[in-house]
Amino acid sequence: GENVEQHPSTLSVQEGDSAVIKCTYSDSASNYFPWYKQELGKRPQLIIDIRSNVGEKKDQRIAVTLNKTAKHFSLHITETQPEDSAVYFCAASMGNDMRFGAGTRLTVKP
Amino acid sequence: DAGVIQSPRHEVTEMGQEVTLRCKPISGHDYLFWYRQTMMRGLELLIYFNNNVPIDDSGMPEDRFSAKMPNASFSTLKIQPSEPRDSAVYFCASSLSHYEQYFGPGTRLTVT
Repeated sequence: GENVEQHPSTLSVQEGDSAVIKCTYSDSASNYFPWYKQELGKRPQLIIDIRSNVGEKKDQRIAVTLNKTAKHFSLHITETQPEDSAVYFCAASMGNDMRFGAGTRLTVKP
Repeated sequence: DAGVIQSPRHEVTEMGQEVTLRCKPISGHDYLFWYRQTMMRGLELLIYFNNNVPIDDSGMPEDRFSAKMPNASFSTLKIQPSEPRDSAVYFCASSLSHYEQYFGPGTRLTVT
């Protein structure tokens, strides 16, 4: 089955800096890669996703890149703000069950 | 739309008791997923349904866990008998296709 690894497990940045979270996946058949943000005590919320026919997708301060050959994808957050502090999860799916990474706790220091 | 609705939001029960968690997916969504989240194991998919039919239950930890979806607007996850190691947050999610999943607020289960 699919195995998703996520790094780093914790990340601390200064407000205004960029943050990058990386994930690798094992199954080359996976074709959908979402990113979820989970604030403390809240539900995971979809913030951006990418499908395998696209190499990059951007939405305001958030971007995701996908390298299918290397089987890795990354989340980039620019101009970070304190409200970006949360746990971020990557996931990979091939149209059936979705496998999540272990999460990255991002702290943005004001 | 109110989003995915789960009840109860918190459940505290004693070991050996039966626990039933409930979920109402977003109207029109044809996929429903049950997840469990713990610090040790992260987010785990337990089971998912398509058009009310269970498709993959390979994530269900053991026979004490069962899930049903009697109609398009309701699903239950039952644990009988419950054990302390079942303590976790249980999320229900739904999607229109198989892709963009929207999570409910979760049920925090504590088994003492």
